[in-house]
Amino acid sequence: NAGVMQNPRHLVRRRGQEARLRCSPMKGHSHVYWYRQLPEEGLKFMVYLQKENIIDESGMPKERFSAEFPKEGPSILRIQQVVRGDSAAYFCASSGWTGPTDTQYFGPGTRLTVL
Amino acid sequence: GQQVMQIPQYQHVQEGEDFTTYCNSSTTLSNIQWYKQRPGGHPVFLIQLVKSGEVKKQKRLTFQFGEAKKNSSLHITATQTTDVGTYFCAGMDSNYQLIWGAGTKLIIKP
Repeated sequence: NAGVMQNPRHLVRRRGQEARLRCSPMKGHSHVYWYRQLPEEGLKFMVYLQKENIIDESGMPKERFSAEFPKEGPSILRIQQVVRGDSAAYFCASSGWTGPTDTQYFGPGTRLTVL
Repeated sequence: GQQVMQIPQYQHVQEGEDFTTYCNSSTTLSNIQWYKQRPGGHPVFLIQLVKSGEVKKQKRLTFQFGEAKKNSSLHITATQTTDVGTYFCAGMDSNYQLIWGAGTKLIIKP
């Protein structure tokens, strides 16, 4: 019973590079959520996806950030041309077939450091 | 926009003392969920409250949901070192979006 998996666990990028964060939801889950957490702060919702669809991206910055959840494979959060302010922990969560009303189970997170 | 305010931001207690964190929403919530995040870890689901006035207990933890479904609290009796971490509430609004509180960090004084 694998839980939500995220990789890499730690990612270091230089300013201007691209960061790709991967999330494999819990088995049987088709709803994925991405959150960002700055040090000593709470979780900020970024985007909610179902397979092949973005349902709610109201928390996603308009530029440089994108997310996808293809029919096959993990969900990807992509940050282009990273800046120091992108340094944070990025958590992915998944929930079951009823979607947002179901409990969200979190992955271990990816800690992104931008040099 | 909709907000869930959570207080206090930090609470320092001696081991064995009680701890309480409060959440208040600007609007009525469909449900409220509580999560715990250990230092360096990820949020872990604790409980969900759905009904007005609901009270649920998990060992030393007591969770309450207000009558108006706008506020909630988590109370820990006789804290232990294993309780250390940040406790988050997350309220579900009418659009089924989870609105997260900023968290309350429980710190046990040495």
